[in-house]
Amino acid sequence: GAVVSQHPSWVICKSGTSVKIECRSLDFQATTMFWYRQFPKQSLMLMATSNEGSKATYEQGVEKDKFLINHASLTLSTLTVTSAHPEDSSFYICSADRDSAYEQYFGPGTRLTVT
Amino acid sequence: KQEVTQIPAALSVPEGENLVLNCSFTDSAIYNLQWFRQDPGKGLTSLLLIQSSQREQTSGRLNASLDKSSGRSTLYIAASQPGDSATYLCAVKGYSTLTFGKGTMLLVSP
Repeated sequence: GAVVSQHPSWVICKSGTSVKIECRSLDFQATTMFWYRQFPKQSLMLMATSNEGSKATYEQGVEKDKFLINHASLTLSTLTVTSAHPEDSSFYICSADRDSAYEQYFGPGTRLTVT
Repeated sequence: KQEVTQIPAALSVPEGENLVLNCSFTDSAIYNLQWFRQDPGKGLTSLLLIQSSQREQTSGRLNASLDKSSGRSTLYIAASQPGDSATYLCAVKGYSTLTFGKGTMLLVSP
């Protein structure tokens, strides 16, 4: 149990376009979902935290107008990278938990390349 | 703000050695601590989760310990194998967020 999926697993887009990444909890309802990004040879950095039906809370330095997060249901959160630029190329990973005191379950990640 | 440090940053050992990876954190008010494995270009694989009330967890050749009061955790890998080569990440969970260390890159040579 406790599987989190992401779609797509990889995407290449042109500079200036927008890209949407989906994160789904497949067999549980997620209290909270999290979005991370990871640059090559770096650790995961939390971008934002979202709860179903409310606005996402962004970490300092993350542009909320550029990285739009929609948490439409207890099993789905989406991250839209708007007007993508090459510096947005990264590995984006989502996670979900069903109780803040316990384990977060991670998706397999989405590799975004902006050309 | 929670800070997580992992030492060493990289480690290279011959196959068969027992090894220890270290993780330290600054704020002891945690719910749990998790160790993950990440292969190049891949997502995270959860290895062990230790709740704040626990001292250690074991899974196969892996043993993780937690000393919350001193802000330290260790991951012990017994009889290392080339397939253990990966980056190992330590993460601590506060009220709602997970804070990651930068990882230890492990290479086990045959």
